[in-house]
Amino acid sequence: EPEVTQTPSHQVTQMGQEVILRCVPISNHLYFYWYRQILGQKVEFLVSFYNNEISEKSEIFDDQFSVERPDGSNFTLKIRSTKLEDSAMYFCASSGSMFGVAKNIQYFGAGTRLSVL
Amino acid sequence: ELKVEQNPLFLSMQEGKNYTIYCNYSTTSDRLYWYRQDPGKSLESLFVLLSNGAVKQEGRLMASLDTKARLSTLHITAAVHDLSATYFCAVDTSNTGNQFYFGTGTSLTVIP
Repeated sequence: EPEVTQTPSHQVTQMGQEVILRCVPISNHLYFYWYRQILGQKVEFLVSFYNNEISEKSEIFDDQFSVERPDGSNFTLKIRSTKLEDSAMYFCASSGSMFGVAKNIQYFGAGTRLSVL
Repeated sequence: ELKVEQNPLFLSMQEGKNYTIYCNYSTTSDRLYWYRQDPGKSLESLFVLLSNGAVKQEGRLMASLDTKARLSTLHITAAVHDLSATYFCAVDTSNTGNQFYFGTGTSLTVIP
């Protein structure tokens, strides 16, 4: 069964460093998303991406964050200068065709745990 | 500020019992989603509700949406231990259908 894959599973970084989290969405999906979940808390929407541009973004997704789909398969989230409060699990998701229910069913990756020291 | 509130936050129930989880949201939306998350795992999409009055059922779970009341429910029938997980609702608030706000989550423990 197709799945969303994320790498690395765990990333440790020093405060102020740049990190890139990588995701390979399901191959025929059109919509891509990043979420984060601080330990024990709810899932927070960061950004959605469609047709090679950001579709929606939340207040969390400030200038420190950026997304890219560099080669038609990978979907990356970059945090330019990490802060302690960026420590969280980051989930990538993708969803399918343009219309109807298939667009709305999101498939999530296993997540990348980001630890900022 | 958009609020998506679930209650209860924690639910411990015996196998075989029925219970309902509630999801209230504070904005106009007719797109509501339910997800399941097992401890330390990712999220699994359970239900997509795209109109007022929508009802979806899968096994022992049934979800419904009342957009006028801004309320969705997830009903559990004859709970079994395998249903133990955290359940999240999420509301899509955008015109593009691509911006999701999650509820606080309900941690369900089913006791044998």
